[in-house]
Formats: sequence, C-alpha cells, structure tokens
Amino acid sequence: EPEVTQTPSHQVTQMGQEVILRCVPISNHLYFYWYRQILGQKVEFLVSFYNNEISEKSEIFDDQFSVERPDGSNFTLKIRSTKLEDSAMYFCASSKASGNTIYFGEGSWLTVV
Amino acid sequence: AQSVTQLGSHVSVSEGALVLLRCNYSSSVPPYLFWYVQYPNQGLQLLLKYTTGATLVKGINGFEAEFKKSETSFHLTKPSAHMSDAAEYFCAVSPRRDSGAGSYQLTFGKGTKLSVIP
Repeated sequence: EPEVTQTPSHQVTQMGQEVILRCVPISNHLYFYWYRQILGQKVEFLVSFYNNEISEKSEIFDDQFSVERPDGSNFTLKIRSTKLEDSAMYFCASSKASGNTIYFGEGSWLTVV
Repeated sequence: AQSVTQLGSHVSVSEGALVLLRCNYSSSVPPYLFWYVQYPNQGLQLLLKYTTGATLVKGINGFEAEFKKSETSFHLTKPSAHMSDAAEYFCAVSPRRDSGAGSYQLTFGKGTKLSVIP
C-alpha cells in the first residue's frame, strides 16, 4: 500500500541551527501538508501546499518556516533558526484532493537543545 | 470554527472487554469525521472515516464508529480489546468538500491513550 515516507526519523539540533525535514508524499497525491505535535499536546496544522504554492498556513507557520517541492517527489519543511519550542514530532501528509482523506507519514522527531 | 472534544485522556480496559472512546465535535455543518491511531513511536494511521452514507462505519482491526448527528458524536468502539490495541487514538474533523469552506485542514482532539490490561 502506498505510504508517505519521512526522513529523518529523529534529529537533534542546536538552537539557532537550520533544519530541513524531508517527505515523499504518495505518488498520485496533489495536496501536501505539514502538521506538528508537541509532546503531550494536540496535533496541529502548520501548512498545506498545492500546485507549487502554499494554499493555507496557520499562525504557527511564521517566517522561520518554509516549504518547498524541489523536484517531482520530495516535499520539504525548513526551519531557519530553530528554537527550543520547535521541539516536536513533525508529520508530513498528503491527499488526492482538497477535502479528501489525508494520509500521514510516521513523523520526524525534532529535538532542539 | 470546528473543535473536537475527546472525553478521557486515558482509558484502561481489560483484555476482551469492550472499548469505547468518546468523541464529540462542534461544527456549523456536519463535517467529515476521522479516527486515527498512533502506536508507540509510530506515526498517525487512519482507522476509519465517515464522509457520507451509512452512519456506522467499520475500520481496520475490528474498530467501528457511529456518526450521530443529533448528539454531534462519533464514538469509537471495539467489542473485544486486544493487547495490540494499546495506543493513542485521535478523533479529527474537517469541513465537507461540498461545504464551500475555504479550508479543509484537519482539526484534532487531544487524544485518548488506551491501555489494555491482561
């Protein structure tokens, strides 16, 4: 069964460093998403991406965050200057269309020290 | 705006007992409804979803959920718990595709951690 894959599974980084989280969405999906789950809290929406541009973003997704689809398969989340509070599980997800079922990857644990 | 309330952050059941995880939503129109499961150290896996049609939906691993519009609920059940069901379960909603909503992002509940006692 097709699945969303994410790398790395776990990354530890120093505060202020740049981090890039990578995702390969399901191949025939057109909508891509990043969600975040801080330990012990709700899963929160960060951003959605369609047709090579951001279609929606939450208040969390400020100027330190960016997303890119550099080629036909990868979808990346970049955090320019990490803060301690960025420590979380970051989930990539994809769907065939807006409003369709969203399928999640296994997540990337980011620990900022 | 939508919201999801999951009653009980932690539920314990004995192996073989009924599992009931509660989810209530708030939305101006009935949304799409989902249950996701997160096993330890793993990602979110779709258990089941309700979009339209029959209000009792069956998912993987013997779980089912019933959409009750009058109660704005979408409780998750399984007749007989298995040790492998121990995980965290998340209820989520999104606007219907025909609702004209500008956003289809998922709104999650806080999750319910299910423990199964041998």
